Amino acid sequence: AQSVTQLDSHVSVSEGTPVLLRCNYSSSYSPSLFWYVQHPNKGLQLLLKYTSAATLVKGINGFEAEFKKSETSFHLTKPSAHMSDAAEYFCVVSDREYGNKLVFGAGTILRVKS
Amino acid sequence: GAGVSQTPSNKVTEKGKYVELRCDPISGHTALYWYRQSLGQGPEFLIYFQGTGAADDSGLPNDRFFAVRPEGSVSTLKIQRTERGDSAVYLCASSLVVGGGWNEQFFGPGTRLTVL
Repeated sequence: AQSVTQLDSHVSVSEGTPVLLRCNYSSSYSPSLFWYVQHPNKGLQLLLKYTSAATLVKGINGFEAEFKKSETSFHLTKPSAHMSDAAEYFCVVSDREYGNKLVFGAGTILRVKS
Repeated sequence: GAGVSQTPSNKVTEKGKYVELRCDPISGHTALYWYRQSLGQGPEFLIYFQGTGAADDSGLPNDRFFAVRPEGSVSTLKIQRTERGDSAVYLCASSLVVGGGWNEQFFGPGTRLTVL
């Protein structure tokens, strides 16, 4: 079975400082991994995806994530936070054994202080 | 172009009533998904359609929940005898199906269902 654990329910950073949102996954097959962002009253938007190509994945708005199979991790980072990054972030896993069904983590709410 | 749309955006109903939630996928997307997001949680998979047929309905919580997609485009999620625990945001997503790999799912804004 697939599962995702987001290690922090809330993260608070100051504007201009680095962002780290942590995610560990469990998958019995070769996983695809994603990060989605959800701004208040808006739909889910794909930030980036890993689908067995390069392990360091770059996404939109300066975010990136590194797939580490030995650690079963897929942490999301950004060098410098912007106020507009404040949102809820979901780490998501999908694998071929389960078709295209997405399994979401519980989410991490990112707060950016000015 | 137009994204995934869902109607209504909000639905308030009483316990025991029947509700229908509608999803209009992106034109040309053959795959359609329903997810449910309860307060403070991530979305949970309910059902997946490929064309008109339900390819995977393993996430439907019980037989009060049913979904259809009769013409392979619009889908309706139907909930009978609603319970307070059904209160959640119901999300719809659609995607192309190209080859055997992964295809991005595009999400609608959701329908917020409140059962009183």
